[in-house]
Amino acid sequence: EVQLVQSGAEVKKPGESLRISCQGSGYTFTNYWIGWVRQMPGKGLEWMGIIYPGDSDTRFRPSFQGQVIISADKSISTAYLQWSSLEASDTATYYCARLAYGSATRPGDYWGQGTQVTVSS
Amino acid sequence: QSALTQPASVSGSPGQSITISCTGTSSDVGGYNYVSWYQHHPGKAPKLMIYDVSNRPSGVSNRFSGSKSGNTASLTISGLQADDEADYYCSSYTTTTTHVFGGGTKVTVL
Repeated sequence: EVQLVQSGAEVKKPGESLRISCQGSGYTFTNYWIGWVRQMPGKGLEWMGIIYPGDSDTRFRPSFQGQVIISADKSISTAYLQWSSLEASDTATYYCARLAYGSATRPGDYWGQGTQVTVSS
Repeated sequence: QSALTQPASVSGSPGQSITISCTGTSSDVGGYNYVSWYQHHPGKAPKLMIYDVSNRPSGVSNRFSGSKSGNTASLTISGLQADDEADYYCSSYTTTTTHVFGGGTKVTVL
């Protein structure tokens, strides 16, 4: 059974760093792109970027380029979303998704349960 | 690159059909047959309902159908049911080699 399990909720202060994770199981992790999606409170879903764990090829939506780091550790089948200095506007729920059929053009067919990140002083 | 344009809300009575539009540009919806639709209940993981404009994943009801004309894609829900009430998002692959969502449409079953 394909599963994506995300790390737990986080409460951070502005300026702090953070890394959240998404561990895949039940499939060959290196053969499928993983995408990260943001949902700010009361707002819609936004694709942030995608990564191919096989070679760490990473692509960002323009508005997220330089704002976050997306990485993967294929040895433990885990993708990461990372901030070096959080802002209050980073408060959101973050989802990871596996892109189907191993192609960057494909939709997200399996999703993580979401990680709530709260940034507040 | 802006989000795709969806109506904020659509409503219908049980048994009726509703259609949600999703308008983009030639750089996304119009340029690729890689439009997908997701159902999202707040607090839960999004669920893929339609991919490649009109294909349904295994297990998704045939009451859900998709189409595209030019830069506009559409999702139709026929035989509306109470548990169809959710937020629906279109998504498209784009020329920037990433994906973009629509703003989302809240479907209300009256």
